[in-house]
Amino acid sequence: EAGVAQSPRYKIIEKRQSVAFWCNPISGHATLYWYQQILGQGPKLLIQFQNNGVVDDSQLPKDRFSAERLKGVDSTLKIQPAKLEDSAVYLCASSLRRNNEKLFFGSGTQLSVL
Amino acid sequence: DQQVKQNSPSLSVQEGRISILNCDYTNSMFDYFLWYKKYPAEGPTFLISISSIKDKNEDGRFTVFLNKSAKHLSLHIVPSQPGDSAVYFCAASDSRGSQGNLIFGKGTKLSVKP
Repeated sequence: EAGVAQSPRYKIIEKRQSVAFWCNPISGHATLYWYQQILGQGPKLLIQFQNNGVVDDSQLPKDRFSAERLKGVDSTLKIQPAKLEDSAVYLCASSLRRNNEKLFFGSGTQLSVL
Repeated sequence: DQQVKQNSPSLSVQEGRISILNCDYTNSMFDYFLWYKKYPAEGPTFLISISSIKDKNEDGRFTVFLNKSAKHLSLHIVPSQPGDSAVYFCAASDSRGSQGNLIFGKGTKLSVKP
């Protein structure tokens, strides 16, 4: 069974630039999550999708972050414009259904904002 | 305010001995707890979980203990192996909540020395 795929693995940008991350969840997983993990912290949920609808985006900084999950499969997370404090690993995860706590994570995208 | 706390950033243990990783939580609505293991440059992987209706769950070398009155859980690894060296995250959720989102601690870095 293929795992959660994410790209790119690394990204370095300057502040005020824009960046996008891509995620393809495990086939058949209805729920997709984007987490932000700042160095020395645990992962923090940014947004949760159930199929192609948003379930929870309460912690997403909507003035600069956006995410979509067209067709209920893969997803894109965008930051525009980036700030220095956005430097983090962005993790995508998926689960079979909503409220299924067993999440499967991708390897993440490490973002450095200079 | 941190709802899930892992107060030990690191732990060093000799191979073959027991590793005990601790986690405290503050939200009494949490009813499901998980441990994730993370190697460098990889996403977290699910290790073991426990529901609040239990006080112990065992899977091979890994056992999780839950003390609801103290709002404390611990992960025991016996015997510890060098391959167990990783960052361990404690996570909790309120499965009766609308999203059941996982709240993660900051992690404990375990080093198992040969």
